[in-house]
Amino acid sequence: DAGVTQSPTHLIKTRGQQVTLRCSPKSGHDTVSWYQQALGQGPQFIFQYYEEEERQRGNFPDRFSGHQFPNYSSELNVNALLLGDSALYLCASSLATGTGPANTGELFFGEGSRLTVL
Amino acid sequence: QKEVEQDPGPLSVPEGAIVSLNCTYSNSAFQYFMWYRQYSRKGPELLMYTYSSGNKEDGRFTAQVDKSSKYISLFIRDSQPSDSATYLCAMSAPENYGQNFVFGPGTRLSVLP
Repeated sequence: DAGVTQSPTHLIKTRGQQVTLRCSPKSGHDTVSWYQQALGQGPQFIFQYYEEEERQRGNFPDRFSGHQFPNYSSELNVNALLLGDSALYLCASSLATGTGPANTGELFFGEGSRLTVL
Repeated sequence: QKEVEQDPGPLSVPEGAIVSLNCTYSNSAFQYFMWYRQYSRKGPELLMYTYSSGNKEDGRFTAQVDKSSKYISLFIRDSQPSDSATYLCAMSAPENYGQNFVFGPGTRLSVLP
């Protein structure tokens, strides 16, 4: 059973460039969330996609955008890169089966894409 | 004040010790509480999940939630060198459940053989 896969694993960009990160969810999952994890910090929620639409968004500027495809895979795009965008970008998948204690809503994380902006 | 606070460590303990990891939070709406373990250069993996207050045990791990104090804990018994990792607490309010999880900064744990 393939888990969450992300590509690329590492990449280096310069300020002002644009980057696209890709994620394939765990088999059977339909929801993809993206998190940014700066060095020494916990992951911060960027946004979540379900049924090809952005369902919720964290406190990130419009430079961060995303997309979900019919096969549930997802992309994260960041425009006009800043030095402060250097981080580990984590994709997490889950199953949207409603809320409540019967649904753990467990997030399965990929190993992340490490972005360095010079 | 950050929404979720956690002592970053590093915390070093000898093998076999009991480890106590803690988080405090400020948002009284949080009802779902989770602990994730993150090995170096890996994504986080879910260890424990607790809804509202109370205790939950799973093998060597026990999670406790005290909503009145806005304080959660993870205990690891008989710690092993393989437990060396960063431990992240995460929490969510009902209206955000399954969507926006708020993570603490993580505590780095080293278990020495």
